[in-house]
Amino acid sequence: EAGVAQSPRYKIIEKRQSVAFWCNPISGHATLYWYQQILGQGPKLLIQFQNNGVVDDSQLPKDRFSAERLKGVDSTLKIQPAKLEDSAVYLCASRPIGDRVFNEQFFGPGTRLTVL
Amino acid sequence: GDSVTQMEGPVTLSEEAFLTINCTYTATGYPSLFWYVQYPGEGLQLLLKATKADDKGSNKGFEATYRKETTSFHLEKGSVQVSDSAVYFCALRSGGYNKLIFGAGTRLAVHP
Repeated sequence: EAGVAQSPRYKIIEKRQSVAFWCNPISGHATLYWYQQILGQGPKLLIQFQNNGVVDDSQLPKDRFSAERLKGVDSTLKIQPAKLEDSAVYLCASRPIGDRVFNEQFFGPGTRLTVL
Repeated sequence: GDSVTQMEGPVTLSEEAFLTINCTYTATGYPSLFWYVQYPGEGLQLLLKATKADDKGSNKGFEATYRKETTSFHLEKGSVQVSDSAVYFCALRSGGYNKLIFGAGTRLAVHP
């Protein structure tokens, strides 16, 4: 079974530029998560989708971050404009919807963003 | 709000040494608890889990016991190997949408 795919793996931009990350979850997984992992910290949830609907975006900085999952499959996370403090690894994870008790999320390799 | 606190790293051990990585949590109710591992260049992987008090999760020689009275979920391994070198994250499940809250991670380096 293929895992969660993310691209690009690395991105370097200057502050005030825009950037977009792409995630393709495991086939059939209805729930998709985007996390931000700043160096030296644990991952922090930015947004969670169930199919193509948002169920939690309470920690997403909506003035500059946006995310979509139009067909309930792959997803895009965008930052516009980027700030220095956005430098981090952006992780995508997915989870099958029927899994109520055992909450395993499967993570992609992440995209490392550096903002100069 | 819910939170997870892990011991700071890095932890440096010789091969075959005993490992303990401390993890404590603050949460309402009785959350499910997890240990994830991140090997160099790879994504996060679930290592083990426990869903209720006194449960012991185990995998690949690692163990952790859910201690409600001390709100802890310490990770242990009796004899570490070089291949165990990685960053270990303690996490809890929070809320109705299966949100995970992670600790800051503990880097483990095992030398031959």
